[in-house]
Amino acid sequence: DAKTTQPNSMESNEEEPVHLPCNHSTISGTDYIHWYRQLPSQGPEYVIHGLTSNVNNRMASLAIAEDRKSSTLILHRATLRDAAVYYCILRDRGSQGNLIFGKGTKLSVKP
Amino acid sequence: DAGVIQSPRHEVTEMGQEVTLRCKPISGHNSLFWYRQTMMRGLELLIYFNNNVPIDDSGMPEDRFSAKMPNASFSTLKIQPSEPRDSAVYFCASRGTGGQSYGYTFGSGTRLTVV
Repeated sequence: DAKTTQPNSMESNEEEPVHLPCNHSTISGTDYIHWYRQLPSQGPEYVIHGLTSNVNNRMASLAIAEDRKSSTLILHRATLRDAAVYYCILRDRGSQGNLIFGKGTKLSVKP
Repeated sequence: DAGVIQSPRHEVTEMGQEVTLRCKPISGHNSLFWYRQTMMRGLELLIYFNNNVPIDDSGMPEDRFSAKMPNASFSTLKIQPSEPRDSAVYFCASRGTGGQSYGYTFGSGTRLTVV
């Protein structure tokens, strides 16, 4: 699976939008972009995934660049409960296997 | 659904002892994964099963580690003998069918301390 690059950490203020970037310049045409997050003392949690088009769900939005070499996870209004490590992961469409986690971005939310 | 259930939540054992971690995946999920998380190495995949069959165990650190999935509703990860460097949080995750359509669901983990 291709590699992703994320900032080590980011800060946000409560109730403000947060844009978490992810670079994946070597993405292949069959790679899906997945986002997971891990809250303190919990297991990772699925957030969202997409292939080419922007995606929205109750947790977040995923904006995918036209060339697919980067994407942005958008939390529309950060809450203190959104403080977590956010992982951007590529996974081939045909893969039956596993998720490979990088170091992710640690998001801090200030009240 | 109760989600992926792992037991025990915490385990403290002495070096050399056998440790068994347990996992009950979500009913209907056909893939199961064991991960280990440490500060130094982050989240590492140890092994995964599809339809109860081990597919890739290349992440298992050494022969002291073994995993089984005797049926679709239960899996174990065993360490024998345990060593202090095995101290970590061990996560189990399961995933349903549908390729990319289903996210992975992780359990709350087992925090293992080997003294």
